[in-house]
Amino acid sequence: QVQLVESGGGLVKPGGSLRLSCAASGFTFSDLYMTWIRQAPGKGLEWVSKISGSGDTIYYADSVKGRFTISRDNAKNSLYLQMNSLRVEDTAVYYCARDPYHYASDPWGRGTLVTVSS
Amino acid sequence: QTALTQPPSASGSPGQSVAISCTGTSSDVGGYNYVSWYQQHPGKAPKLMIYEVNKRPSGVPDRFSGSKSGNTASLTVSGLQAEDEADYYCSSHAGTTNVVFGGGTKLTVL
Repeated sequence: QVQLVESGGGLVKPGGSLRLSCAASGFTFSDLYMTWIRQAPGKGLEWVSKISGSGDTIYYADSVKGRFTISRDNAKNSLYLQMNSLRVEDTAVYYCARDPYHYASDPWGRGTLVTVSS
Repeated sequence: QTALTQPPSASGSPGQSVAISCTGTSSDVGGYNYVSWYQQHPGKAPKLMIYEVNKRPSGVPDRFSGSKSGNTASLTVSGLQAEDEADYYCSSHAGTTNVVFGGGTKLTVL
């Protein structure tokens, strides 16, 4: 069955960096767009970034553009999110998800918590 | 990007039907047939319930249905069951903004 497992979250100081990973299994990874979505504690969902199956088409939310970089390694069935210049407001659970349909994500991983605090 | 507008809460008794609205603009909900709905139980990852306005992924009960009129989309849950109690989020394609979410609706089964 389809499985997505995020890792790499943790506590980081404002201005710091973190790299999230998402290991995918159970489907042909290179066929699909992959997406990162985040959820601040007690808050709603916020779309962050997505990348095409080949990796040549990428989109970012305005709130992370210029600071975050999405990438993928199809040989390793892995998705990444490099997060630089982190801010307190980036604190959230970060979910990776595959996009089997247009602009719809299914399933989602269990998420990894990123806490930005001094 | 401005979030879509959802009511903060909704409720219904077991067996009843409840509808949750999701209001956007002509630049998102009204402009594309790419509205999705997600269910999230406490401490769990969101689960896709509806995509492309009214399509159900495999395994989602047909008690869940979606519709759209103008700039407002709706999720209807018929025959409410206790396990339907959860937070529900809508999302829509929004052109260059790509995807925008609603603020979420907490559904309570009385």
